[in-house]
Amino acid sequence: DIVMTQSPDSLAVSLGERATINCKSSQSVLYSSNNKNYLAWYQQKPGQPPKLLIYWASTRESGVPDRFSGSGSGTDFTLTISSLQAEDVAVYYCQQYYSTRPFTFGPGTKVDIK
Amino acid sequence: QVQLVQSGAEVKKPGASVKVSCKASGYTFTSYGISWVRQAPGQGLEWMGWISAYNGNTNYAQKLQGRVTMTTDTSTSTAYMELRSLRSDDTAVYYCARESIAVAGPLHDWGQGTLVTVSS
Repeated sequence: DIVMTQSPDSLAVSLGERATINCKSSQSVLYSSNNKNYLAWYQQKPGQPPKLLIYWASTRESGVPDRFSGSGSGTDFTLTISSLQAEDVAVYYCQQYYSTRPFTFGPGTKVDIK
Repeated sequence: QVQLVQSGAEVKKPGASVKVSCKASGYTFTSYGISWVRQAPGQGLEWMGWISAYNGNTNYAQKLQGRVTMTTDTSTSTAYMELRSLRSDDTAVYYCARESIAVAGPLHDWGQGTLVTVSS
C-alpha cells in the first residue's frame, strides 16, 4: 500500500497570512500515460464530514475559493491557503488514488488561527 | 443537489454486528460507486472499502476482510455497510461517500456520518 505522510502535524497562522501544508507519498502517484498526479486534498471542520477541495493535485472542486491551491508532482505535494480566513480552521487531509485500492489518506494537518 | 443521508447512531456490544445505510439522491445511483470511510474519535480517516452501484463489485481494506460486507439496493438508491464481530476499536464515525466510476478516487460528496459505539 502507498503510505502518505503530512507535515507539519499542526500549524497556527495569523488571519490573512499564508498557510502551507505538505504531503508526501511513499511512491510516485504520477501516472506517466496521462501526466496526472492522483492526489486529492480534503478539509474537515469539527463535527462535519470531510469536504473535497482539490483533485488531480491542483484542480479545485467546484465552489472552492481560489485562495486554496494545490501543487507538486510525483511524491511531494503542497496545499496552500494564500490568505487564511477564520472559516478555514480545520484539519486537512491528502489522499492518493493511484493504481489499485486502498486509496490511502495522510494523517492530517490541523490549521488554527495564531 | 447530491445528498447522501445515513442512518442514525448505533450502540452495540462487542461481538455484535452493525449495518449502516446510506440513501442517495440527486444523481443516477448506478453511475457511481460508494466508498466507506471511518474515523475513530480524535483520529484520522481510514478507508474501509468501495462498492460499484453499477455492478456490485467490491474492494475491501485488507484489515477488514471477512468482517465487512458492502451492498447496494438499486431500487431504493441505498448503499449498506455491515460490520460483524465488533470490537471496541471499531468505535468510530462511519461515512459513505460518492465516487465516480470513470475516475476512481476523489470523494466528491459525503454523508453526514453515523456514530457507532461498541461498548459492553
